[in-house]
Amino acid sequence: AQKITQTQPGMFVQEKEAVTLDCTYDTSDPSYGLFWYKQPSSGEMIFLIYQGSYDQQNATEGRYSLNFQKARKSANLVISASQLGDSAMYFCAMREGTGYGGSQGNLIFGKGTKLSVKP
Amino acid sequence: DGGITQSPKYLFRKEGQNVTLSCEQNLNHDAMYWYRQDPGQGLRLIYYSQIVNDFQKGDIAEGYSVSREKKESFPLTVTSAQKNPTAFYLCASSIRGRSSYEQYFGPGTRLTVT
Repeated sequence: AQKITQTQPGMFVQEKEAVTLDCTYDTSDPSYGLFWYKQPSSGEMIFLIYQGSYDQQNATEGRYSLNFQKARKSANLVISASQLGDSAMYFCAMREGTGYGGSQGNLIFGKGTKLSVKP
Repeated sequence: DGGITQSPKYLFRKEGQNVTLSCEQNLNHDAMYWYRQDPGQGLRLIYYSQIVNDFQKGDIAEGYSVSREKKESFPLTVTSAQKNPTAFYLCASSIRGRSSYEQYFGPGTRLTVT
């Protein structure tokens, strides 16, 4: 079974509008972390935002916020005031487990959503 | 400037040849990772290393090998046993010990085998 599901292969948004990219996850581990990465056409992966499973508040980083709904196992990325430079692939990822050293799990990635910002 | 270097950006090889992809980091990170990305797909973990002289297989290790003789370096060899080696390869590193720490990625190497 897929652990990270991104159901939107492609999304369009008008410049300056907000957009939500969906991500649902599957884990039985009570301790996990959720990450969002941006991949421009150049290929590098750029970290955007992190949400821990025990965090009480939704994470925010500038124009990025994470709509974390634990009971629904969803971690949607919200980008406010879209810019042309936001056009890229966006990946949701999860790491299971906490603890020191090798006890932590590795990142599991979804298949991504391609966001296109229209001028 | 601290970061991760991968070279070369584009690599072409003939089928049947082994090829080694370079990954160097100066972030003083203990953990390093190799991922493969195919078109329209997410990243899949090939190998990872939490400490020098130790590494573990990821989800798709068959046909690949790695070494970790230095903290800064984690080269990946794509062997002739890898049945479909053409892909985009990304190297990453992170601080060991906290699950909240993000992985930092290099610019990637696009390998084409014909």
